[in-house]
Amino acid sequence: DAKTTQPPSMDCAEGRAANLPCNHSTISGNEYVYWYRQIHSQGPQYIIHGLKNNETNEMASLIITEDRKSSTLILPHATLRDTAVYYCIVMTTDSWGKLQFGAGTQVVVTP
Amino acid sequence: EAGVVQSPRYKIIEKKQPVAFWCNPISGHNTLYWYLQNLGQGPELLIRYENEEAVDDSQLPKDRFSAERLKGVDSTLKIQPAELGDSAVYLCASSYWQGNEQFFGPGTRLTVL
Repeated sequence: DAKTTQPPSMDCAEGRAANLPCNHSTISGNEYVYWYRQIHSQGPQYIIHGLKNNETNEMASLIITEDRKSSTLILPHATLRDTAVYYCIVMTTDSWGKLQFGAGTQVVVTP
Repeated sequence: EAGVVQSPRYKIIEKKQPVAFWCNPISGHNTLYWYLQNLGQGPELLIRYENEEAVDDSQLPKDRFSAERLKGVDSTLKIQPAELGDSAVYLCASSYWQGNEQFFGPGTRLTVL
């Protein structure tokens, strides 16, 4: 299974864009990149996912490099409520639904 | 739309006692998951159901853990007997099908004394 590497923590100023990096250098052609986040004392929440094209929804944008070995989750205007642990996960179509969470990145948004 | 419901939210028991957790998934979701989350770590999948069938239980410690999803809706996760190391948060999630985004409940925090 492909694994991901994320920085353990990041700080971000409120109102600024938060750019969260993720390395997945061993990703295979049939593996998707998923992002979830977990606010303290809550269950994880789905953010976005993609295969090779950049994706955008109401929560965030996902930028995947051309070689697919890394990606960046962008929160365009961070708010205090975006303080959470963010997980980057790769999931193969051979094991749909099997989310393998790592340690994630603790993002703290400060006023 | 109601989210995933779990109960109880908190449970404190003594070691060697049994304990059960209940999950009601989002209506219409065919896939149900149970995860275990230890402090400071990401969730780990214990078991995944497609309707009433357990399709992936490879990570479930079957000597003391059991789960069921009767009628393909609600699910119960049981531990008997509980050990000190079982203290953790037990999360339930559901999705329309296995490839869709998963919706998580708030979890049950178990403390074994």
